[in-house]
Amino acid sequence: KAGVTQTPRYLIKTRGQQVTLSCSPISGHRSVSWYQQTPGQGLQFLFEYFSETQRNKGNFPGRFSGRQFSNSRSEMNVSTLELGDSALYLCASSLPSGSTDTQYFGPGTRLTVL
Amino acid sequence: AQTVTQSQPEMSVQEAETVTLSCTYDTSESNYYLFWYKQPPSRQMILVIRQEAYKQQNATENRFSVNFQKAAKSFSLKISDSQLGDTAMYFCASPVMEYGNKLVFGAGTILRVKS
Repeated sequence: KAGVTQTPRYLIKTRGQQVTLSCSPISGHRSVSWYQQTPGQGLQFLFEYFSETQRNKGNFPGRFSGRQFSNSRSEMNVSTLELGDSALYLCASSLPSGSTDTQYFGPGTRLTVL
Repeated sequence: AQTVTQSQPEMSVQEAETVTLSCTYDTSESNYYLFWYKQPPSRQMILVIRQEAYKQQNATENRFSVNFQKAAKSFSLKISDSQLGDTAMYFCASPVMEYGNKLVFGAGTILRVKS
């Protein structure tokens, strides 16, 4: 079974721009979660999508948004980029049975904001 | 708020030896899961092992095993016969047991395996 895939793997943007990151879950997984990883803050939960609905949200500003499509693929969008948004963005997929599901991670998208 | 604490920022071990990474957590839940993930230099987050809190038996996965002390809220990872490929950042994580998936991670422990 193919793992979680994320595109693009690397991205360089300038302040004020917006960016869209994509995540394709493992086949059969319907829950997709997004995390931001930075050296200063560590791993922080952004949001989770299940059945095209945002089911849970972390403590991030409204510039961070996401969506999920009917095939469970998910995208996250960051608008009006700030220098502090430079990070590794990880998505994880899991089966839909609840919060005890094991999450499997993709390779991440490294975003650099200049 | 649910917290996960890893008190060892860095550790090193000689190849073939055994090392233990520590993790403590705080949760008000009665039934929960705990995870160890490994993040090598490639940055790919890989599941190492999972423990179900209601199970008395400590989880084992090949060279990896846990010492789960529920009363003490301690969840340490033991790596036996360490290999160079074990060099990575190791994260302890606990899901927030509300509706939906949300993992809370510790700060991580960098493990270096030396030849």
